[in-house]
Amino acid sequence: AQSVSQHNHHVILSEAASLELGCNYSYGGTVNLFWYVQYPGQHLQLLLKYFSGDPLVKGIKGFEAEFIKSKFSFNLRKPSVQWSDTAEYFCAVRNAGNMLTFGGGTRLMVKP
Amino acid sequence: SQTIHQWPATLVQPVGSPLSLECTVEGTSNPNLYWYRQAAGRGLQLLFYSVGIGQISSEVPQNLSASRPQDRQFILSSKKLLLSDSGFYLCAWMGGTSGGPGANVLTFGAGSRLTVL
Repeated sequence: AQSVSQHNHHVILSEAASLELGCNYSYGGTVNLFWYVQYPGQHLQLLLKYFSGDPLVKGIKGFEAEFIKSKFSFNLRKPSVQWSDTAEYFCAVRNAGNMLTFGGGTRLMVKP
Repeated sequence: SQTIHQWPATLVQPVGSPLSLECTVEGTSNPNLYWYRQAAGRGLQLLFYSVGIGQISSEVPQNLSASRPQDRQFILSSKKLLLSDSGFYLCAWMGGTSGGPGANVLTFGAGSRLTVL
C-alpha cells in the first residue's frame, strides 16, 4: 500500500527563518502531489499541487515545493516564515485512483 | 462556486448511542465524496469514499458505516458508538478528471468533532 512520510512532527521557528518540511512517498508510478494547510480553528485548505511539468511549483502565501522523482520527495519550502504561517501542514499523494494518502502532518509554530 | 457543508460541527454522545454526521456539496454534480478521520499526529485516515449514489467503499473495517442517498449527500453513521470513535471527522469532495470544477483536488469541509463519553 502507498505510504507518505513527513519526517518532522513539530517544527518551531522564529519569524524570518527559512522553512523546509520533508515529505517522502512510497508509490513508484505516476503521482499527483499535494500540500494542505490547516490554520488554527480553520478547515484544511490546499496550499499547492503538482500534477506534471515544472517540478518546482509555487503555491499561495509564498510557499513552494519541489518534486524530485528520483528521491520520491515533495518537500515544502518558504524562504522567510511569518507568525501567520503557524499551522499544521499535510503532504498527500494521489496515484492512479481517486484517493489521496496523507502523511502524519507537521505542526509548525512560528515565534514572533 | 462549489461549497461543502458538514454538520453538526461538534457532538458529544454517550457510549452505545447512534451517530449521524451529514455532508452535502453544492454547485457540482456527481462528485467523488470522502470521509476522513483526523487524529493528532497520525494525519488523515480515509474511512469511506463514494463515486456515486449508493456506491460506498470502505477503507478501514470499524464501527462506522457510510451512505450516499443522493448525489451530493454523504452520511457517516454508527449504530452504537465506542469510546474509540471520538475524533475529528472530515468530509471532502473531488471533481472528476475531465477538468471541471474541483477536478483532481480534494476540497474539505469544516469538520465535525465527535466526543464519545
